[in-house]
Amino acid sequence: RKEVEQDPGPFNVPEGATVAFNCTYSNSASQSFFWYRQDCRKEPKLLMSVYSSGNEDGRFTAQLNRASQYISLLIRDSKLSDSATYLCVVKPSFSGGYNKLIFGAGTRLAVHP
Amino acid sequence: GAVVSQHPSRVICKSGTSVKIECRSLDFQATTMFWYRQFPKQSLMLMATSNEGSKATYEQGVEKDKFLINHASLTLSTLTVTSAHPEDSSFYICSARYQGYEQYFGPGTRLTVT
Repeated sequence: RKEVEQDPGPFNVPEGATVAFNCTYSNSASQSFFWYRQDCRKEPKLLMSVYSSGNEDGRFTAQLNRASQYISLLIRDSKLSDSATYLCVVKPSFSGGYNKLIFGAGTRLAVHP
Repeated sequence: GAVVSQHPSRVICKSGTSVKIECRSLDFQATTMFWYRQFPKQSLMLMATSNEGSKATYEQGVEKDKFLINHASLTLSTLTVTSAHPEDSSFYICSARYQGYEQYFGPGTRLTVT
């Protein structure tokens, strides 16, 4: 089983739609969780951290369910510029102090006019 | 702040040659840098963790004699792919740890081995 699993998509949605991505992780002792965004042939960029209480940043809402080992990202009012691959990222507890990150394979989002 | 650069951005080399990729933290000091590899439509895979002044820690399955890492200063880490082969063609990305857990990524280096 992969350490971080995501639905690869692609999700094709019209502008203005609400779309949700899911992610599961295998290590129950994982400490920190993030969503990164990666545009085609570019480096990943941090979108937001994910906190236990859930957190929101504008049109983006992240949720964490530790009991189910499940992370979600909700994007409201999708824009064309949201088209990208969204990476679920987990920091395991056994990283040896080096803050190693484990990346999911990503979910591709395509927003069309 | 927290800008990471990589050089070169793209390199094509012949099979059997060695290629060096540089990763620099431009406006902060990074005691820890990370090297990742990404094949098309796959996730980033951590290759090694580079610590300034000490030997790199390699992930399982990554050959340390093939992928040489040097972290000689707080702002520079280098990855040398020795005796490159076509299967080493990939997107190599470095990141640097900045203030806690956050990692900032360089723009990546696309390596093509012919």
